[in-house]
Amino acid sequence: AQTVTQSQPEMSVQEAETVTLSCTYDTSENNYYLFWYKQPPSRQMILVIRQEAYKQQNATENRFSVNFQKAAKSFSLKISDSQLGDTAMYFCAFMKHEGGNDMRFGAGTRLTVKP
Amino acid sequence: DAGVIQSPRHEVTEMGQEVTLRCKPISGHDYLFWYRQTMMRGLELLIYFNNNVPIDDSGMPEDRFSAKMPNASFSTLKIQPSEPRDSAVYFCASKGGGLWEQFFGPGTRLTVL
Repeated sequence: AQTVTQSQPEMSVQEAETVTLSCTYDTSENNYYLFWYKQPPSRQMILVIRQEAYKQQNATENRFSVNFQKAAKSFSLKISDSQLGDTAMYFCAFMKHEGGNDMRFGAGTRLTVKP
Repeated sequence: DAGVIQSPRHEVTEMGQEVTLRCKPISGHDYLFWYRQTMMRGLELLIYFNNNVPIDDSGMPEDRFSAKMPNASFSTLKIQPSEPRDSAVYFCASKGGGLWEQFFGPGTRLTVL
């Protein structure tokens, strides 16, 4: 079974600074997807970024980037130039590539961006 | 596209009552997922459907929970009888076959008194 661990329940960052959220996972699969979802106070789950395990290049979406270390089973999210609107819960998630439809989520990290 | 639609957004009921949550997936999507989010257990997959057929219901907590998908545009999650420990946010998500991204609805916050 796959497990996803987010070891930082809460984090805070000053506006315009950079913050990194950690995620590790455990799997015996070789091919899979990893995701970061954002859940603001509105409760809506919003996909921030995804990474395919077979790609060595780290995914980037504007101010969001990941550091994917397959051997270490680590998948951290870096938010650059933090904005007040980035305040939210952030969930790391795992999904198998073959026959995988169910996502496994971490417990989440509550990020607060301070003005 | 309206996205995934869930109703109601909030539901307050008393212990022992039947609760029905509803979901309309994105048109053309053939996978539908029901998740439950609690402080204690985080986000858990309860059940998912492919082409209206339940594929994996191993996450359904007990027989009080049931889910149906009578057609491609509608699904229900029913709890009968409800208990206070069922209080949670229930999300519905859908995705198109061959694609990886699941699109989430806004969730239903259920409170069982």
